[in-house]
Amino acid sequence: KAGVTQTPRYLIKTRGQQVTLSCSPISGHRSVSWYQQTPGQGLQFLFEYFSETQRNKGNFPGRFSGRQFSNSRSEMNVSTLELGDSALYLCASSSGGRNIPTSEQYFGPGTRLTVT
Amino acid sequence: AQTVTQSQPEMSVQEAETVTLSCTYDTSESNYYLFWYKQPPSRQMILVIRQEAYKQQNATENRFSVNFQKAAKSFSLKISDSQLGDTAMYFCAFTDNAGNMLTFGGGTRLMVKP
Repeated sequence: KAGVTQTPRYLIKTRGQQVTLSCSPISGHRSVSWYQQTPGQGLQFLFEYFSETQRNKGNFPGRFSGRQFSNSRSEMNVSTLELGDSALYLCASSSGGRNIPTSEQYFGPGTRLTVT
Repeated sequence: AQTVTQSQPEMSVQEAETVTLSCTYDTSESNYYLFWYKQPPSRQMILVIRQEAYKQQNATENRFSVNFQKAAKSFSLKISDSQLGDTAMYFCAFTDNAGNMLTFGGGTRLMVKP
């Protein structure tokens, strides 16, 4: 099985622009979660989608949004970029829903976003 | 809210030796899951080992094992026979809802020296 893929791998944007990142989960996985990794804040949960519905949301401003398509692929969007949004954005997929104890998360390679 | 704390920002170990990474967490939940993830320089997060809180037996995966102390809310990772390829950041993580919203610790940078 192919692993989790994320595109693009690297991205440079200017303050005020918006950006869309894409994540394709492992085939058959219905849950996709997004995480932001920065040197200062570490790894922080952004949101999770399951069957096209946002199921969990972290403590991020409304500039951060996401969606999931019927094929389980997910996108996250950041509008009005700020310098502090520079980070590695990781996507993870898992097979199970809530209360299924085998739903381990498998991570993609990440998208490195630099905001100048 | 749950918190996860890794008190050792950096550690080093000689090749073939054993090293233990510490992790403590705080939660009011009774059923939850704990994980150790490895992030090598490539930045790819790799699951090392997982533990269900309702299982008393400590999890083991080859050279990796955990010491899970539920009452103390402690979850340490022991790496035996350390190898150069074990050099990486190690993150302890917690979830209370079947693994889909992870809370991570700050990480421990492990260097394995030849």
